[in-house]
Amino acid sequence: DTEVTQTPKHLVMGMTNKKSLKCEQHMGHRAMYWYKQKAKKPPELMFVYSYEKLSINESVPSRFSPECPNSSLLNLHLHALQPEDSALYLCASSAGTGSSYEQYFGPGTRLTVT
Amino acid sequence: GEDVEQSLFLSVREGDSSVINCTYTDSSSTYLYWYKQEPGAGLQLLTYIFSNMDMKQDQRLTVLLNKKDKHLSLRIADTQTGDSAIYFCAPGGGGFKTIFGAGTRLFVKA
Repeated sequence: DTEVTQTPKHLVMGMTNKKSLKCEQHMGHRAMYWYKQKAKKPPELMFVYSYEKLSINESVPSRFSPECPNSSLLNLHLHALQPEDSALYLCASSAGTGSSYEQYFGPGTRLTVT
Repeated sequence: GEDVEQSLFLSVREGDSSVINCTYTDSSSTYLYWYKQEPGAGLQLLTYIFSNMDMKQDQRLTVLLNKKDKHLSLRIADTQTGDSAIYFCAPGGGGFKTIFGAGTRLFVKA
């Protein structure tokens, strides 16, 4: 099973809402990532978890809160978002965090903040 | 930090070859990757090349690496309409060092 799944596929939320994005992989990968991708742009790294510990936070605003409950799951909790946060949020995983490990991506959650 | 450049758009006719180019600044990585993103989907690893190789062929795909000029290219032979997508180079390696180019949008005309 080389699949990374993400739910929901689409999410529309107001600026006062609280929602969560979910990501799951069963490849035994120990590194998991959240990326944000705006239209016609490359993915931008937000967070990296390695062995269920947050190892990279790319100066992401606190209205985005990641969580890694176990080695297969990764959540992104959203609160008080702004319209400019509307984007495709991609989850990825890799066997390790070294440069020899390619990333496997999920299909993404298309988020619209109204 | 790493700087990666790609041309943003390429249009070819079905059956022709496509060549997507990428230039980069950081040459320390052991692996250099190409990813494909179809509309509304996540990224899919297409192929990669070891930094000690000049060329790698994988069916219709050929990757060329010129380390001296820090230039990476992806050639797709016999391009099909299903190849229409955005292609990202990631010359900085994998893991949390992955940095993507801006992406080249390939449009294949039937």
